Amino acid sequence: EAQVTQNPRYLITVTGKKLTVTCSQNMNHEYMSWYRQDPGLGLRQIYYSMNVEVTDKGDVPEGYKVSRKEKRNFPLILESPSPNQTSLYFCASSARTPSGDTQYFGPGTRLTVL
Amino acid sequence: AQSVTQPDIHITVSEGASLELRCNYSYGATPYLFWYVQSPGQGLQLLLKYFSGDTLVQGIKGFEAEFKRSQSSFNLRKPSVHWSDAAEYFCAVGPYNNNDMRFGAGTRLTVKP
Repeated sequence: EAQVTQNPRYLITVTGKKLTVTCSQNMNHEYMSWYRQDPGLGLRQIYYSMNVEVTDKGDVPEGYKVSRKEKRNFPLILESPSPNQTSLYFCASSARTPSGDTQYFGPGTRLTVL
Repeated sequence: AQSVTQPDIHITVSEGASLELRCNYSYGATPYLFWYVQSPGQGLQLLLKYFSGDTLVQGIKGFEAEFKRSQSSFNLRKPSVHWSDAAEYFCAVGPYNNNDMRFGAGTRLTVKP
């Protein structure tokens, strides 16, 4: 089954404690993105990757890092989380760019930073 | 800069009634337009997309949308809503084959029995 998986689905942490949210896709897609969803703001792109070892900033990259060492994985790293990073996070993948093809979304990770 | 506006934050319709969700965009060139649906606790799923050609686009689950360039709109419609359509709906716009894709704030649909 074609899918995008994220782990964990729920996470409560404290300010400053480094965390990683994993994302994996099994569709051999080249493009992967991370979004955060906040009430009244819709989805905003954090980072995207066009292929292995190729990443770039989206609209709201501050406080986040990503890596793309393998085609299927695209982890999101918060080196020092802060309460304003409390949000719902989605990973997505597509065969071509996000606006050139269908994006497939993971189920989301709800992060709370205390 | 491109942007998307979904004027209705929350809409309630009765089961079996028709539905129209509004989407207005701001973009300088020909937009590429999408509607996604997010069921509770789920990720987003593509309902339909418009790249070019016929301005009335058919999607999954009985949804359709019409691109109206003169009104900068891409409204989503369904003739008869089912209880399972209760979800949040997002309109999105981007230049074709580009990473710069923008989402609206979403419209939450409640379906009354």
